[in-house]
Amino acid sequence: EIVLTQSPGTLSVSPGERATLSCRASLSVISTYLAWYQQKPGQAPRLLIYGASSRATGIPDRFSGSGSGTDFTLTISRLEPEDFAVYYCQQYNNSPWTFGQGTKVEIK
Amino acid sequence: QVQLQESGPGLVKPSGTLSLSCAVSGGSISSSNWWSWVRQPPGKGLEWIGEIYHSGNTNYSPSLMSRATISLDKSKNQFSLQLSSVTAADTAVYFCARDSRVTLFYGMDVWGQGITVTVSS
Repeated sequence: EIVLTQSPGTLSVSPGERATLSCRASLSVISTYLAWYQQKPGQAPRLLIYGASSRATGIPDRFSGSGSGTDFTLTISRLEPEDFAVYYCQQYNNSPWTFGQGTKVEIK
Repeated sequence: QVQLQESGPGLVKPSGTLSLSCAVSGGSISSSNWWSWVRQPPGKGLEWIGEIYHSGNTNYSPSLMSRATISLDKSKNQFSLQLSSVTAADTAVYFCARDSRVTLFYGMDVWGQGITVTVSS
């Protein structure tokens, strides 16, 4: 099973600032098989990024993904109030599909 | 626009069976997608339970494989999850999701709103 470790656990950022979230895999993951999700309290997750770097439909361009192999990054260039949430990475490289434990982005 | 809606009992007794359904609207469950179940214990992260393809092929998380069964009902355009021998550790919000996997696109792009299931006597 591929373990995804996200860091930091919590990120305190001011609106308008940049947020950088990390996802590290225990085994190499093909970029095609790496996705990112956003989850707000009381809501279902929402797909943000697929293929490590492609934005899903309707996702603003302040969200970007990058990385390869075992190290992936989600960057939010200028945080808007609605971006404060928990973010999860997920892999499809090897079954069982696994999620990271999440990074909470909170208002500083 | 495809929408998913979970339904089922919100309370299940220990050692009983959890049974949930996910109704698909705005599209066909027979389309070339996988359909997944994901759960989230209170205050914790997401856990993939398993999935079913429109052909009926299934995959499960090894940690739940012995207790989980996912099935399709094409006549009702829905899919279901049964989880047997439940304990308090199975208390969670259960989500159904469309799992799209086509060339270069892998992701759970449509989600139900989630249903809270509590295991308690």
